[in-house]
Amino acid sequence: SAVISQKPSRDICQRGTSLTIQCQVDSQVTMMFWYRQQPGQSLTLIATANQGSEATYESGFVIDKFPISRPNLTFSTLTVSNMSPEDSSIYLCSTRTANYGYTFGSGTRLTVV
Amino acid sequence: AQTVTQSQPEMSVQEAETVTLSCTYDTSESDYYLFWYKQPPSRQMILVIRQEAYKQQNATENRFSVNFQKAAKSFSLKISDSQLGDAAMYFCAYRSPNSGGSNYKLTFGKGTLLTVNP
Repeated sequence: SAVISQKPSRDICQRGTSLTIQCQVDSQVTMMFWYRQQPGQSLTLIATANQGSEATYESGFVIDKFPISRPNLTFSTLTVSNMSPEDSSIYLCSTRTANYGYTFGSGTRLTVV
Repeated sequence: AQTVTQSQPEMSVQEAETVTLSCTYDTSESDYYLFWYKQPPSRQMILVIRQEAYKQQNATENRFSVNFQKAAKSFSLKISDSQLGDAAMYFCAYRSPNSGGSNYKLTFGKGTLLTVNP
């Protein structure tokens, strides 16, 4: 199944700045998902990203705050814009694999100060 | 919208013993997919086991098995012969049978933190 390399693994950022998280997949995949995991909470889907089209955002998430790039079938980025302490979370990318499975990146732990 | 409920925020088990983690879900669909994922402190999400709702037989993967009760919308995970390496957060997840776009997303429960005592 696909392997995802996610960078950075962690970062501490100043409020008002932006951070771009990258996910590189070792094979071509149609769809990528971006999740947020707030401290002590479950994973919540931010958006679904297909190559060549705009990402589809879930309720409560907007493109201006979480712009997503999907330039090809092996790569995607999520930017967290104009950060506030409430954005402190773990962010994970994911993709579907064969047999209805899913694989995840190792996550980015973001702390906004 | 589908919801997934894990009613046990924390569980503990003695090494070598058996523990069962509970999961219930709410859906109006008749066919769907259910998963258990493990998240150790490394944050890596690791697939433990999955079940297709159309299959009546409960899925099994080595020491991990599920008790899938479709009518009750229940999907519990049994871990036998618990090992120290099983200590992690366990998430139950649901996927719609529908194809296309965000239909492929996973809906997660809040998780159960499993502690394994030596």
